[in-house]
Amino acid sequence: DAMVIQNPRYQVTQFGKPVTLSCSQTLNHNVMYWYQQKSSQAPKLLFHYYDKDFNNEADTPDNFQSRRPNTSFCFLDIRSPGLGDAAMYLCATSGQGGDNEQFFGPGTRLTVL
Amino acid sequence: EDQVTQSPEALRLQEGESSSLNCSYTVSGLRGLFWYRQDPGKGPEFLFTLYSAGEEKEKERLKATLTKKESFLHITAPKPEDSATYLCAVQAPGYQKVTFGTGTKLQVIP
Repeated sequence: DAMVIQNPRYQVTQFGKPVTLSCSQTLNHNVMYWYQQKSSQAPKLLFHYYDKDFNNEADTPDNFQSRRPNTSFCFLDIRSPGLGDAAMYLCATSGQGGDNEQFFGPGTRLTVL
Repeated sequence: EDQVTQSPEALRLQEGESSSLNCSYTVSGLRGLFWYRQDPGKGPEFLFTLYSAGEEKEKERLKATLTKKESFLHITAPKPEDSATYLCAVQAPGYQKVTFGTGTKLQVIP
């Protein structure tokens, strides 16, 4: 089945220790998104790619960076995680046609000690 | 700036007790309004897209409707397995960005 895969599902890191979260998709969608979601809050868009065009939200901290080396993969790098970065990180994709909906991965739960 | 407000924040229903969730929105034009279901610890799951005022879509016990300012998700005779957080989101024309509301957490009690 075509899907969005996120690894790892759970990540524990120490304060200030860099971490990389990965997302892959088999849907061949041209748009990929990274969201941060904290408990009982709306998913907050961090970045999105339209093909290789990178779009950074104005309020995304510089501590967060992203890479999309090819259509299938996208990475979220957190250079120096703080306690406030503990959250669920969601990757999503969307493509042409259909109902313009986003397909989400299962998320990566990040804990910062 | 696009805004989405959902109400109520939480809703507790008896099994079989029908109700509606509200999503109020402001957006510069509307490419689409989306409803998603999110179970605890999981990514959102797509339910519906609505494109224009007056449009309605149904799926099992769920029916989504749209006006120029708000959308409703009607739940008819809910079952415990309908318990989840329901998220509403909007997308403006020409943009890939989608703005989400904070959701309504629905609990259906047997």
